[in-house]
Amino acid sequence: GENVEQHPSTLSVQEGDSAVIKCTYSDSASNYFPWYKQELGKRPQLIIDIRSNVGEKKDQRIAVTLNKTAKHFSLHITETQPEDSAVYFCAARQNNAGNMLTFGGGTRLMVKP
Amino acid sequence: EADIYQTPRYLVIGTGKKITLECSQTMGHDKMYWYQQDPGMELHLIHYSYGVNSTEKGDLSSESTVSRIRTEHFPLTLESARPSHTSQYLCASSEYPYEQYFGPGTRLTVT
Repeated sequence: GENVEQHPSTLSVQEGDSAVIKCTYSDSASNYFPWYKQELGKRPQLIIDIRSNVGEKKDQRIAVTLNKTAKHFSLHITETQPEDSAVYFCAARQNNAGNMLTFGGGTRLMVKP
Repeated sequence: EADIYQTPRYLVIGTGKKITLECSQTMGHDKMYWYQQDPGMELHLIHYSYGVNSTEKGDLSSESTVSRIRTEHFPLTLESARPSHTSQYLCASSEYPYEQYFGPGTRLTVT
């Protein structure tokens, strides 16, 4: 089955700096890679996703890059703000597994004002 | 408004009690999932369903059971609650090829 590794597990940045979270996956058949943000006491919510036919996707201050050859993808947050503080989860979905997602272990991002 | 609803949101119960956590979605999704998550930690898939009368166990072994008699309803039952079941339980649903949507969660404490 699929295995997703996520690094780092915690990340502390100064407000205004950039933050990068990296994930690797094991199954080359995976074709969809979402990122979820979970604020304290809230449900995980999708913030951006990328499909295997695209190498990069951007939405305002957040962007995701995908390297299919190396089987890794990354979340980039620029100009971080205190409200970006949350736990972020990456995930990978296999092409032959319906809508089953395999999640990474999560990254706790802290943005210091 | 189309959403996923979970009840109760918080539950404190004694050891040995039988409990059912409710999950309903009004988005018409075929696929539904249950995750167990300690606050802010990794998401562990414990059950999933691809449609009515279809249920499977997930990656994390769980003493709970699920049923899927109606498309919109996916309850999770613990026959005999134990302190080790204390955690947050998140329900989710999806429709291929789109993302999974999560419910607000049930925070369970077993004393």
